[in-house]
Amino acid sequence: EVQLVESGGGLVQPGGSLRLSCAASGFTFSSYWMHWVRQAPGKGLVWVSRINSDGSSTSYADSVKGRFTISRDNAKNTLYLQMNSLRAEDTAVYYCAREEMVVAAIPLDYWGQGTLVTVSS
Amino acid sequence: SSELTQDPAVSVALGQTVRITCQGDSLRSYYASWYQQKPGQAPVLVIYGKNNRPSGIPDRFSGSSSGNTASLTITGAQAEDEADYYCNSRDSSGSVVFGGGTKLTVL
Repeated sequence: EVQLVESGGGLVQPGGSLRLSCAASGFTFSSYWMHWVRQAPGKGLVWVSRINSDGSSTSYADSVKGRFTISRDNAKNTLYLQMNSLRAEDTAVYYCAREEMVVAAIPLDYWGQGTLVTVSS
Repeated sequence: SSELTQDPAVSVALGQTVRITCQGDSLRSYYASWYQQKPGQAPVLVIYGKNNRPSGIPDRFSGSSSGNTASLTITGAQAEDEADYYCNSRDSSGSVVFGGGTKLTVL
């Protein structure tokens, strides 16, 4: 059974840092591209970042570029999101998700349960 | 990056057919994927690619595309289909974009 379990969320002051983790199991983690998607309270889904299967290529939403860093450890089957210079508007539930490789589409076929990040003083 | 536009809310009578749309320039080149999200739960992929359903998704869910518009159709909507629905796609820069979401009410 495919499982994605996020951790690392919590309350952090503006300007602070946090590292999220996503532990993967039930599939060959090193074969899949992975994503972070966030959802502010009462709002819609917003894509944050993506990393390819071996970690050599990454991309980010403009809103987090230069502040967030996505990475992975395929030996530990774990995805990470290092978040620096956090702002109130980064407050959201953060989901990790697996990308099923399909031509000309980006289906995220498995999602974790999410971890809440609250940025507040 | 590009944008994907969805109607904020749609309603359908129980057992009837409803179409939820997603518009954006990137959809001329890329397929949309569709997600269902119920309150307090993670999103679930319901349609991807040309018209593919993941295992476990009822066949009343189907997808289509024309020009810059992708559609998710629910044929014979059930009470349990009441949820928020999101589309996503790849954009020309290689980034990923989600639509703003559509709240489906089943009457």
